[in-house]
Amino acid sequence: DTEVTQTPKHLVMGMTNKKSLKCEQHMGHRAMYWYKQKAKKPPELMFVYSYEKLSINESVPSRFSPECPNSSLLNLHLHALQPEDSALYLCASSLRQTNTEAFFGQGTRLTVV
Amino acid sequence: ILNVEQSPQSLHVQEGDSTNFTCSFPSSNFYALHWYRWETAKSPEALFVMTLNGDEKKKGRISATLNTKEGYSYLYIKGSQPEDSATYLCAAPPNAGGTSYGKLTFGQGTILTVHP
Repeated sequence: DTEVTQTPKHLVMGMTNKKSLKCEQHMGHRAMYWYKQKAKKPPELMFVYSYEKLSINESVPSRFSPECPNSSLLNLHLHALQPEDSALYLCASSLRQTNTEAFFGQGTRLTVV
Repeated sequence: ILNVEQSPQSLHVQEGDSTNFTCSFPSSNFYALHWYRWETAKSPEALFVMTLNGDEKKKGRISATLNTKEGYSYLYIKGSQPEDSATYLCAAPPNAGGTSYGKLTFGQGTILTVHP
């Protein structure tokens, strides 16, 4: 199984809502990532987890809260988002947080209204 | 902030043509260079991770070269097919420091369209 599965595929939420994005992989990877991609721009790194511990936070606003409950799962909790947070959110994993290729999910298309 | 640049922004070729595009990055403190292919409505797919100056990697009709001294990598596609149509992204970590592992900065991508 070389897949990274993200749910939901699409999400529309209001600015006062709380929602979560989920990401799952069963490749035994110990590094997992959240990226944000706005239209016509490259993906931008948000968070990196290594061995279930937060390793990198790229100065992401606290309305985005990552969680890694175990080595296969990565969540992104969303609260009080703004319309400018609308984007494609990509999850990725790699064997380790080193120089190895990343495997990406298909992303969650988030719209904040 | 690492400056990773790709050219051209977009490319249209005919089926059967060979093509190439460029990724440039700062040559100082180089650590690694990644290439990904991203087809519409699919996940980005890793093509190559390159680390050594002069390295050349191949995957089917796609190959890549790396020049770390001058800070560029070329991606070549031989005999392009319509299924090669995708956005090709390169990415690199900011430097060789341990805290930068996994911290990829992506270029803007080259959008390749192969016409039948």
